[in-house]
Amino acid sequence: QQQVKQSPQSLIVQKGGISIINCAYENTAFDYFPWYQQFPGKGPALLIAIRPDVSEKKEGRFTISFNKSAKQFSLHIMDSQPGDSATYFCAASSYSGAGSYQLTFGKGTKLSVIP
Amino acid sequence: NAGVTQTPKFQVLKTGQSMTLQCAQDMNHNSMYWYRQDPGMGLRLIYYSASEGTTDKGEVPNGYNVSRLNKREFSLRLESAAPSQTSVYFCASSAAPGGYEQYFGPGTRLTVT
Repeated sequence: QQQVKQSPQSLIVQKGGISIINCAYENTAFDYFPWYQQFPGKGPALLIAIRPDVSEKKEGRFTISFNKSAKQFSLHIMDSQPGDSATYFCAASSYSGAGSYQLTFGKGTKLSVIP
Repeated sequence: NAGVTQTPKFQVLKTGQSMTLQCAQDMNHNSMYWYRQDPGMGLRLIYYSASEGTTDKGEVPNGYNVSRLNKREFSLRLESAAPSQTSVYFCASSAAPGGYEQYFGPGTRLTVT
């Protein structure tokens, strides 16, 4: 079974601090690595994504770091704000045959940013 | 432009009852998906439809059936609900098959007693 392992399960960060969430994978056929953000009572929404041939991607306060040789990638949230409090999911895209691709999700990290 | 809509928002079923969860998207996307979300388990794919007229099993298809009614609509049916199917169900869509940019609906919270 394809897996994406995510840690930590929960994270508490002070306002202004850096939040770091890590993910690891085994299947080298994964070809895209998105991160999703989910607020309570809402569906997940795409936050940022990276291809495996890029080592870093930054969008505002959010940065993905990608280490292909270690098969690991991480999300960094700089200057964390209370409004960033949400559950974050890493994911990986893979070909599942007949022209179709699937996303495999990590189990999620609940981030709480305290004032 | 409503994006992805799901009905109902909440549902309580008794063991053995059946029901259909409805999903519709107005973004002209080709692919649609059904996921379930359980505490500590992340999002697990139940079924997906890469394009109109096709459906395929995901990671956890047992106990479910799907119908891709047309390009806009993708329904999920529980024929005989079990307590293990208590979960939050999300429908999603993407422009391309398995596209990583998937748009999610607001979810249906289902409780089976």
